[in-house]
Amino acid sequence: EAQVTQNPRYLITVTGKKLTVTCSQNMNHEYMSWYRQDPGLGLRQIYYSMNVEVTDKGDVPEGYKVSRKEKRNFPLILESPSPNQTSLYFCASSRRRESIGNEQFFGPGTRLTVL
Amino acid sequence: EDQVTQSPEALRLQEGESSSLNCSYTVSGLRGLFWYRQDPGKGPEFLFTLYSAGEEKEKERLKATLTKKESFLHITAPKPEDSATYLCAVQTFGADSNYQLIWGAGTKLIIKP
Repeated sequence: EAQVTQNPRYLITVTGKKLTVTCSQNMNHEYMSWYRQDPGLGLRQIYYSMNVEVTDKGDVPEGYKVSRKEKRNFPLILESPSPNQTSLYFCASSRRRESIGNEQFFGPGTRLTVL
Repeated sequence: EDQVTQSPEALRLQEGESSSLNCSYTVSGLRGLFWYRQDPGKGPEFLFTLYSAGEEKEKERLKATLTKKESFLHITAPKPEDSATYLCAVQTFGADSNYQLIWGAGTKLIIKP
């Protein structure tokens, strides 16, 4: 089954404690990205990757890091989380950057709370 | 500034009561407009793509239409399983933003049996 998986699904942590949210896709997609979703706001892109070892900032990259060492995996790293990073996070993938509108597959989401 | 606004924020309907959701956009150049459905605890799932004014797409009880300033998602005789949050996203032309999406905040639709 074609899917994007994220782990963990729920995470409660404290300010400053480094954490990693994993993301994996089994569709051999080139393009992957991370979004955050907050009440009353649209999805906002944090970082994206067009292929292995190629990553770039999205709209709200401050406080986040990513890496793309393998095509299928795209972890999101919060080196020193702060309460304003409390949010619902989605990983997504598509075959190419050009097709992110109508061919983007989303993971189930990770709800992060930073105390 | 490019912007996408969805209304209403929430909509409660009785089963069988038809209605429409609105997505208005202000962008420098429209490459495509997309509708997604998001169920609680899940990521968004793609529904429709619209590229030019006058275009319409249909799927079961849903029909999406597009004008030069807005898109409507019409729901005909909805059922409780149509309850979800419906998201609209716009892809724009632009030197650096050719493939970026601008998302609306969504409309939460609740269909009561």
